[in-house]
Amino acid sequence: IAGITQAPTSQILAAGRRMTLRCTQDMRHNAMYWYRQDLGLGLRLIHYSNTAGTTGKGEVPDGYSVSRANTDDFPLTLASAVPSQTSVYFCASSDRYTGELFFGEGSRLTVL
Amino acid sequence: GQNIDQPTEMTATEGAIVQINCTYQTSGFNGLFWYQQHAGEAPTFLSYNVLDGLEEKGRFSSFLSRSKGYSYLLLKELQMKDSASYLCAVRDSDYKLSFGAGTTVTVRA
Repeated sequence: IAGITQAPTSQILAAGRRMTLRCTQDMRHNAMYWYRQDLGLGLRLIHYSNTAGTTGKGEVPDGYSVSRANTDDFPLTLASAVPSQTSVYFCASSDRYTGELFFGEGSRLTVL
Repeated sequence: GQNIDQPTEMTATEGAIVQINCTYQTSGFNGLFWYQQHAGEAPTFLSYNVLDGLEEKGRFSSFLSRSKGYSYLLLKELQMKDSASYLCAVRDSDYKLSFGAGTTVTVRA
């Protein structure tokens, strides 16, 4: 069972470039989430989706966009990357009613 | 929104007990979670409390008091492999989880 797959695992990106982080789950979970994790700040919610076709803004949504065309995929796009978006990005999914989050292995993004 | 506080660091000796406290203020409470995260890895689920009281799972126990906005995670019989960051997370009425900054626990021999 793969669970949640994120790609790429690591990327160095020039400022101003567009970047899409991919996330796929095979657990048929309703809800999916994108978090960023920075030293001393913990995990902060960027965007979420409670079900296919719907998305919502989290705590730090500026500069990011998401889409949820189907249950399995939840890509995160940085339209024009800036150095402050250097972080580790975690995708997660959950059955909406149990609430336990299952995390992908993370994508380490460096914006220069 | 959520405001979640937990200590930054704790150190304990192998075989000992450590208690990690978490206080929270929330606009809509729908459960409290504890996650463990080893350096360079993804967080993994440890425990879940939605009602007041103690939940025990092996060497780990978690307690919740909703009226006080307070939880703790108790780690017993500490092992070296328990050295990790422990994350307190609160679920809101829209089923989103907000995380505290995490407590780094270092277990010494």
